[in-house]
Amino acid sequence: QLQLQESGPGLVKPSETLSLTCTVSGGSISSSSYYWGWIRQPPGKGLEWIGSIYYSGSTYYNPSLKSRVTISVDTSKNQFSLKLSSVTAADTAVYYCARHIKALPFGYYPDYWGQGTLVTVSS
Amino acid sequence: QSALTQPASVSGSPGQSITISCTGTSSDVGSYNLVSWYQQHPGKAPKLMIYEVSKRPSGVSNRFSGSKSGNTASLTISGLQAEDEADYYCCSYAGSSTEVFGGGTKLTVL
Repeated sequence: QLQLQESGPGLVKPSETLSLTCTVSGGSISSSSYYWGWIRQPPGKGLEWIGSIYYSGSTYYNPSLKSRVTISVDTSKNQFSLKLSSVTAADTAVYYCARHIKALPFGYYPDYWGQGTLVTVSS
Repeated sequence: QSALTQPASVSGSPGQSITISCTGTSSDVGSYNLVSWYQQHPGKAPKLMIYEVSKRPSGVSNRFSGSKSGNTASLTISGLQAEDEADYYCCSYAGSSTEVFGGGTKLTVL
């Protein structure tokens, strides 16, 4: 059964870089049928798409975060990662990784989600 | 890329039906049949309930249905049950491998 597990520091200082990794088990991150993405949810608020990556390394980012976001993939470890630079308190959120099913003829949507990890930005 | 618009809250009594709307633009909801809906209970990860506007994943009750007209998608839950009380989010593909979520709707079962 597919499982996604986020990992990384739960506390990050303002102006520093938030780094998270999503480990995929029960399925291959190299499948051509899926994209892999990061979505966040500030406490008490709604969901926000951060960005997605294809196993080939092609990346797609939310325009509002693009200047601060880097998503990468390590197919040998079946993992993909998120880096968000110059964080502020507004970046405090539960961060989810999610598999996205590739639709035909184009597009995708998230189906399986990790349990999420809370990242707090505070000094 | 603006968030899709959902009502902040809806409510209904057990056994009744409710509908949650999700309004976007001609650049997202109106252009693609790639609207999905998610149920989120407190402290839990979102769960896919509807994909590609109206399709149900295996294991999701047929009390959940989806539709779309123009720039607005809708999720209908019939025969409301206490366990349906949760937050619901819509999501639409928005072109160029991007996606956008709605602000979420809190469903209260009276």
